[in-house]
Amino acid sequence: GQNIDQPTEMTATEGAIVQINCTYQTSGFNGLFWYQQHAGEAPTFLSYNVLDGLEEKGRFSSFLSRSKGYSYLLLKELQMKDSASYLCAVRDLAGGSYIPTFGRGTSLIVHP
Amino acid sequence: GAGVSQSPSNKVTEKGKDVELRCDPISGHTALYWYRQRLGQGLEFLIYFQGNSAPDKSGLPSDRFSAERTGESVSTLTIQRTQQEDSAVYLCASSKGLSNSYEQYFGPGTRLTVT
Repeated sequence: GQNIDQPTEMTATEGAIVQINCTYQTSGFNGLFWYQQHAGEAPTFLSYNVLDGLEEKGRFSSFLSRSKGYSYLLLKELQMKDSASYLCAVRDLAGGSYIPTFGRGTSLIVHP
Repeated sequence: GAGVSQSPSNKVTEKGKDVELRCDPISGHTALYWYRQRLGQGLEFLIYFQGNSAPDKSGLPSDRFSAERTGESVSTLTIQRTQQEDSAVYLCASSKGLSNSYEQYFGPGTRLTVT
């Protein structure tokens, strides 16, 4: 498997910045996705990284370092509605499959 | 436009019964995926359909699980002789195809409870 590792839970204060890390092990890396999942709802796409560097999209940014097998999702100006689970998913072509493998997700709790 | 839809939204069944879950992908999406998500866990891949190619069944946990897809439209996931460990949310997703950056669009899921 891809051995995707994320923290189980994080807490942060409204208005602050939080960084959610994801580490992985692959032999045929071919892209990393971040999804947001509110409780009882379906995951929704946030970002996609395949090259090293930072991708910025509004209050959310995602970073990738392929050599380190590392990504992070950065959330700025946190809002209460950002309380959700954040899923890291990695595509590894080594097994001949294009299907991303998901980590267990990081539950983010934003408090006032 | 319409997103991915799934039915039923909730299903309670007795152990040993068969269940059938339905997924309607976004129109024009050639790829369709089924995942299982147990409480507090990540998404566990079950099966994948891409166009008219043979499905990737590598994630199906046992021969009690099967799925079909009609062309590039509706898919059904069937679980025979359900067991309590089958209790989970079953998520369906679709995407435009196999291109690297194509993100998956998820349906709201079917919450299955086996008593």
